[in-house]
Amino acid sequence: IQMTQSPSSLSASVGDRVTITCRASQTISAYLNWYQHKAGEAPKVLIYLASTLQNGVPSRFSGSGFGTEFTLTITNVQPDDFATYYCQQSLTTPRTFGQGTKVEV
Amino acid sequence: DVQLVESGGGLVQPGGSLRLSCAASGFTFDSYAMTWVRQAPGKGLEWVSAVSGSRSITYYAGSVKGRFTISRDNSNNTLFLQMNNLRVEDTAIYYCAKNMYDIAVVTEDYMDVWGKGTTVIVS
Repeated sequence: IQMTQSPSSLSASVGDRVTITCRASQTISAYLNWYQHKAGEAPKVLIYLASTLQNGVPSRFSGSGFGTEFTLTITNVQPDDFATYYCQQSLTTPRTFGQGTKVEV
Repeated sequence: DVQLVESGGGLVQPGGSLRLSCAASGFTFDSYAMTWVRQAPGKGLEWVSAVSGSRSITYYAGSVKGRFTISRDNSNNTLFLQMNNLRVEDTAIYYCAKNMYDIAVVTEDYMDVWGKGTTVIVS
């Protein structure tokens, strides 16, 4: 299953609302996870099953979608949110990731 | 505290071998599947391999199948990745990650704990 994210990068300011899209090459129901990754750090899960917020993740992160199209939204972007975001499908192996979306200042 | 620490990375020539290790602590290791994910320079995350918790059933990406072997030592809480016949394109940071379930192919699964990675350079 191919996962395609858009955009590949975006610029945002603190306080902005950011939306990232992830499309699957075939239907994956709601088996879609979102991760945040900062260079030199361990990746971190934000959302699983398309819309369930992982414990401890701020509520400004939200996910939606079903089937082949999904979105990750960050409302009121904070300085700690500048990172690269990846979607990943968990319907089948290999558990493919999208190519990533870099959120920059 | 739940923790994963990778080791074993380094510089190796094409065609060579390396064995990566991932030491786990803070959770019941044999109750969870484990996964290796890599990130090549300037590229995104790539799922490499996974192994179930108690039965050690294994899964591989097509790019490494037949060259890499994932395994685990549940008595010592350690995950391994044996990498043979290495290629320049295997150069990457390799991360180990803990899955949410014992079985590695549960559709609701995700990786909730990750290590900071170990660097492999094939040159």
